[in-house]
Amino acid sequence: SQKIEQNSEALNIQEGKTATLTCNYTNYSPAYLQWYRQDPGRGPVFLLLIRENEKEKRKERLKVTFDTTLKQSLFHITASQPADSATYLCAPYNQGGKLIFGQGTELSVKP
Amino acid sequence: NAGVTQTPKFRILKIGQSMTLQCTQDMNHNYMYWYRQDPGMGLKLIYYSVGAGITDKGEVPNGYNVSRSTTEDFPLRLELAAPSQTSVYFCASAPEEGHNEQFFGPGTRLTVL
Repeated sequence: SQKIEQNSEALNIQEGKTATLTCNYTNYSPAYLQWYRQDPGRGPVFLLLIRENEKEKRKERLKVTFDTTLKQSLFHITASQPADSATYLCAPYNQGGKLIFGQGTELSVKP
Repeated sequence: NAGVTQTPKFRILKIGQSMTLQCTQDMNHNYMYWYRQDPGMGLKLIYYSVGAGITDKGEVPNGYNVSRSTTEDFPLRLELAAPSQTSVYFCASAPEEGHNEQFFGPGTRLTVL
């Protein structure tokens, strides 16, 4: 079955550093993948979408890569700030055109 | 625009009770979705709708029902609440299927005792 794995351990980094979050998927090859941010007690908020032929996409301090050979997407936040502390969800599209969400990785940026 | 709104924010049910979770969007989106999120887990799709009058099952539909009589509203019905339905429920909408972002509501936290 289609499976999405994100690092379940929280990521703790120092302000100003680059945070890198990993999303691995197995048993299928999504053509599109989205990343969302979720703050405690709130619904997810869309950040970026990347297509399989784009390899890399940027938006301000955010960068997403999509390696279809490794079946992996990496999500980077450069010059991280305490306000970036949240849970980040990876969501590739399944073969039925629906999003499958990973369990999320909690990021904590310390000042 | 209010975006996607959900009511109630919190609810405690007894086993066997029924309730309806309300979801409304004011963005004129055709696509609407219901997800549940358990602690430490990803969101699981319960039901979705591609337009008024059209609904379909997602990954975990058992124990739930939906209806879509208008573009704006997509209520989720729990008929006989069970402890396994304790979760946070999110409603989302999107302008069309394909590869558009989904807009999520604030969620309803449901506890079944």
